[in-house]
Amino acid sequence: GEDVEQSLFLSVREGDSSVINCTYTDSSSTYLYWYKQEPGAGLQLLTYIFSNMDMKQDQRLTVLLNKKDKHLSLRIADTQTGDSAIYFCAESKGSGGYQKVTFGTGTKLQVIP
Amino acid sequence: DAGVTQSPTHLIKTRGQQVTLRCSPKSGHDTVSWYQQALGQGPQFIFQYYEEEERQRGNFPDRFSGHQFPNYSSELNVNALLLGDSALYLCASSLRVNEQFFGPGTRLTVL
Repeated sequence: GEDVEQSLFLSVREGDSSVINCTYTDSSSTYLYWYKQEPGAGLQLLTYIFSNMDMKQDQRLTVLLNKKDKHLSLRIADTQTGDSAIYFCAESKGSGGYQKVTFGTGTKLQVIP
Repeated sequence: DAGVTQSPTHLIKTRGQQVTLRCSPKSGHDTVSWYQQALGQGPQFIFQYYEEEERQRGNFPDRFSGHQFPNYSSELNVNALLLGDSALYLCASSLRVNEQFFGPGTRLTVL
């Protein structure tokens, strides 16, 4: 089946690292994504990882994938107040013109100055 | 590049009415997907269009239908609106690869 789960809330102090976790159930997922949504806005693609990779780093963002445990995490180094938002984990199946993306319920990140 | 654009920004309808939402994909993108995001929830996949055909569909009733035009823009139609259809409707475009770019959404309120 298809189910993506995330914790609802995370609070960190400015300058600390944030780690947002996600678990998924579909082992046939091809890509896994992290999106950011600020209040009243659409979704911004932060980064994504192909399912045969273990890690991807992009500036302050590090994505870790444990395919055996179906666990995905997003680490934000040196978290800033501008990072306060809702972060969605998502998985996709299919390729090309046939793709279905399933989102988690989102983790609200609060950064305390 | 304007990115993904959606219209209108906000819409208020009453139960039983019909609504059409519009999406223009990012330049060069040929695939459009639609999502429904209820308040406090993650986006739920409605359907995806590629080459003017519906290619994938989520668990939404037939009241939800769509169309893709030759210029890759797309419409989402919802008939017989219910209160539960109130949500943010998001359009995402991609170029046949797994990197979707989202528009700002249309906020639909059904009274």
